[in-house]
Amino acid sequence: DGGITQSPKYLFRKEGQNVTLSCEQNLNHDAMYWYRQDPGQGLRLIYYSQIVNDFQKGDIAEGYSVSREKKESFPLTVTSAQKNPTAFYLCASARDLMNTEAFFGQGTRLTVV
Amino acid sequence: AQKVTQAQTEISVVEKEDVTLDCVYETRDTTYYLFWYKQPPSGELVFLIRRNSFDEQNEISGRYSWNFQKSTSSFNFTITASQVVDSAVYFCALSEANMGRRALTFGSGTRLQVQP
Repeated sequence: DGGITQSPKYLFRKEGQNVTLSCEQNLNHDAMYWYRQDPGQGLRLIYYSQIVNDFQKGDIAEGYSVSREKKESFPLTVTSAQKNPTAFYLCASARDLMNTEAFFGQGTRLTVV
Repeated sequence: AQKVTQAQTEISVVEKEDVTLDCVYETRDTTYYLFWYKQPPSGELVFLIRRNSFDEQNEISGRYSWNFQKSTSSFNFTITASQVVDSAVYFCALSEANMGRRALTFGSGTRLQVQP
């Protein structure tokens, strides 16, 4: 089945550690996105990518890094520089950046312990 | 800058009632796109509708309908004869075609609870 797969579903991290969230899509989409969701708030854009080897910062990129070495994959690393990383992270993809609808993964809930 | 406001944080209705979720947006772009997504308890966002700024026709899909009014910068969503399965968080979102980045800007969401 075509879709977006995020893993793991739940992730626990100790303070000071980097952690990488996986996002894979088999929809042949060019554009991919990472959003962060906090309780009672909407989704905020962290990073987005239009094509392989290219990505742009969103509204809250500080403390995060990404790579886009393959069309299908857009991993997000939460670094120790991110002051408040506990949140729900959603990955999305779209056919392109031309305002087509985005399809979302099931999310990764990250908790810092 | 683009902005989406969903003033209703939470709405509770009884099954079979009609309910309207409000969405007000701000943009300086002349071409833009509006979206509604549903987030069930599982967490994944489900796409409901996309509407471009040049198409002000209202749309109906089964029990769902959308009212787009450029004069008031609103894109409201109505569920007719609500059902328990409609319980979810609903997000309105905006993307601009010409100005700024081409990524969705979301409102804060409205949590809808439909009681049996």
